[in-house]
Amino acid sequence: EAGVAQSPRYKIIEKRQSVAFWCNPISGHATLYWYQQILGQGPKLLIQFQNNGVVDDSQLPKDRFSAERLKGVDSTLKIQPAKLEDSAVYLCASRGTGSYGYTFGSGTRLTVV
Amino acid sequence: DQQVKQNSPSLSVQEGRISILNCDYTNSMFDYFLWYKKYPAEGPTFLISISSIKDKNEDGRFTVFLNKSAKHLSLHIVPSQPGDSAVYFCAASSGNAGNMLTFGGGTRLMVKP
Repeated sequence: EAGVAQSPRYKIIEKRQSVAFWCNPISGHATLYWYQQILGQGPKLLIQFQNNGVVDDSQLPKDRFSAERLKGVDSTLKIQPAKLEDSAVYLCASRGTGSYGYTFGSGTRLTVV
Repeated sequence: DQQVKQNSPSLSVQEGRISILNCDYTNSMFDYFLWYKKYPAEGPTFLISISSIKDKNEDGRFTVFLNKSAKHLSLHIVPSQPGDSAVYFCAASSGNAGNMLTFGGGTRLMVKP
C-alpha cells in the first residue's frame, strides 16, 4: 500500500508570510493527524480529523493556523502569518479503523527566517 | 505538562551489546504504548507496542517492558546494530482519548561499530 504523502518536503519563508502544507493519507484511513515537531522535541498534536470532521484541535494556535479536510481524504495545513517559532517539521499521519498505530509521512521541514 | 518523558536525550552503545531506552508517563489513563523509530529526513516509523494488560512484548531483537505501578516502560534492543542508530520516541494512548498519541521527547541512539 502507498504511504502517507506530504508536500513540499522543505519550505523557507520569511516571518509574516503565509505557507500551506498538503497531506494525502493512506487510502481508506479515516483518521488523519497533523503534528508539529520542533527540533529536539517529540511530535506535538495540532489537529485530529475523523473523515472530514475535526475531533481535536485544542492545541492548534487558531489565530494563525488553520486546517481542513474537505472531502475526508487529503488535508491542508496553513500558517498565516508565520512566526520564527513556527520553524519545525510538520508531520501528517493517518490511522486505520481499529488500529492504535499511526503511519507517518516524511514531513515538511519549515524554516521561518 | 509533559505526560510522557524520555529523560535521556542520547545513548551510545557498542555494536552487539544491549541498548536500553527508557520512558516514564504520568497519566494513569494511558492503556497502550508504542515505540517509534525516526531516521533523519524521514517520518517516524512504528517499531513495537504493548497493551497495559501485558508486561512484556517481544519482536525479534526488540522487547518492550511495561511496569504499570512505576508508570515506566523500556525498550531493549539485543544485539544492537549500527543500523539501529536513530531517534526513538515513546508514545502513549488512551482509548478514552480517541487513540490520540502523546509522544515523549525522544532518545538519540548511536550504535558504534
